[in-house]
Amino acid sequence: LAKTTQPISMDSYEGQEVNITCSHNNIATNDYITWYQQFPSQGPRFIIQGYKTKVTNEVASLFIPADRKSSTLSLPRVSLSDTAVYYCLVGDNQAGTALIFGKGTTLSVSS
Amino acid sequence: GAVVSQHPSWVICKSGTSVKIECRSLDFQATTMFWYRQFPKQSLMLMATSNEGSKATYEQGVEKDKFLINHASLTLSTLTVTSAHPEDSSFYICSAREPWDRAPYEQYFGPGTRLTVT
Repeated sequence: LAKTTQPISMDSYEGQEVNITCSHNNIATNDYITWYQQFPSQGPRFIIQGYKTKVTNEVASLFIPADRKSSTLSLPRVSLSDTAVYYCLVGDNQAGTALIFGKGTTLSVSS
Repeated sequence: GAVVSQHPSWVICKSGTSVKIECRSLDFQATTMFWYRQFPKQSLMLMATSNEGSKATYEQGVEKDKFLINHASLTLSTLTVTSAHPEDSSFYICSAREPWDRAPYEQYFGPGTRLTVT
């Protein structure tokens, strides 16, 4: 599975847009890029998934450049409740193999 | 989306005893479930892959005789921590995939079980 690199931590204020970039230089052709959110003492929660270009849902956008060696999770107008750890994962999701988690990015949102 | 539950949500046991944690897929059948362990301030670490009707596949460094996994049905996998010790205290999380899903290929996680060994 492709290894990912993301910032250890980020700080933001309520109402701001937050962009978290993840590097995955050795991503394979069949790999998807998936982002999960985790609050303390809870299981991870799916945020968004993409293969290429841009994907948007009701909570976030995912930008993937043409070479797919990186991706950026964009959270519009964050609130205090968005304080959490965000994980970027890369893998052949269609194959049904387990997700391997990296260190994640701890996002702290202040008022 | 699909729901995965775990029971119990937290458990305290004495050193040397065994503890069983259940993972259930509530509204779908899961031929494969995954077990993770998470220590404080750390990421999730994959322990094993649980396959319905066959033996689990353990990750390197995980003692299969200590962490017994049984996937007896398409909706239930259990993790038994045998002869628990304080160093086994951790947050245990299971996950599952729908076998014939479509994109996005989402892996559903349970709420986790906090194990404290005294």
